[in-house]
Amino acid sequence: AAGVIQSPRHLIKEKRETATLKCYPIPRHDTVYWYQQGPGQDPQFLISFYEKMQSDKGSIPDRFSAQQFSDYHSELNMSSLELGDSALYFCASSLGTDLPTNYGYTFGSGTRLTVV
Amino acid sequence: AQSVAQPEDQVNVAEGNPLTVKCTYSVSGNPYLFWYVQYPNRGLQFLLKYITGDNLVKGSYGFEAEFNKSQTSFHLKKPSALVSDSALYFCAVRPRSNDYKLSFGAGTTVTVRA
Repeated sequence: AAGVIQSPRHLIKEKRETATLKCYPIPRHDTVYWYQQGPGQDPQFLISFYEKMQSDKGSIPDRFSAQQFSDYHSELNMSSLELGDSALYFCASSLGTDLPTNYGYTFGSGTRLTVV
Repeated sequence: AQSVAQPEDQVNVAEGNPLTVKCTYSVSGNPYLFWYVQYPNRGLQFLLKYITGDNLVKGSYGFEAEFNKSQTSFHLKKPSALVSDSALYFCAVRPRSNDYKLSFGAGTTVTVRA
């Protein structure tokens, strides 16, 4: 079965550079969630989209922005990167936001961003 | 305030012994509860969830969890641990509302020795 695809798997950027992370949800899933997991930390919710509209916002820095496109894939844009942005970034997808009807929403393998 | 607490940073058990990973929550009402497992350099894999109904939930890889409303707990259990169960385990909660994001516990590292 198709899963949530994230690209790239690994990304190394220098401070003050820009990074774009991509997420391709499971086919027919219309909701995408972004989480950030710092070293030794639990995943923290950043932002979510439902039907191409932002549905919720968490602890996402102003330097970050995201959007969901017509094909439901999502991109997380990160500018003016800082060392503290080094983390594993997960994307998850679900069908609608009625989570109980889903098999727990499905996470991608993540993009490991290293800022040097 | 943390909605989910995993009181143990690490759990060490011998292969074949029972494994328990503890989780308590502080969300009001009856939240939706989840367990995820993360292997090194891998994504989060869904293990099981409690939505409603039977308090004992069975999930993947022989894991089960028991929802205890009076103790606000959702401990993960496996009767006989395997070395391959060594991983990082996260408990997660979502309120029964329009808030669809998950709040994760800090994680518990499980090490199963041969």
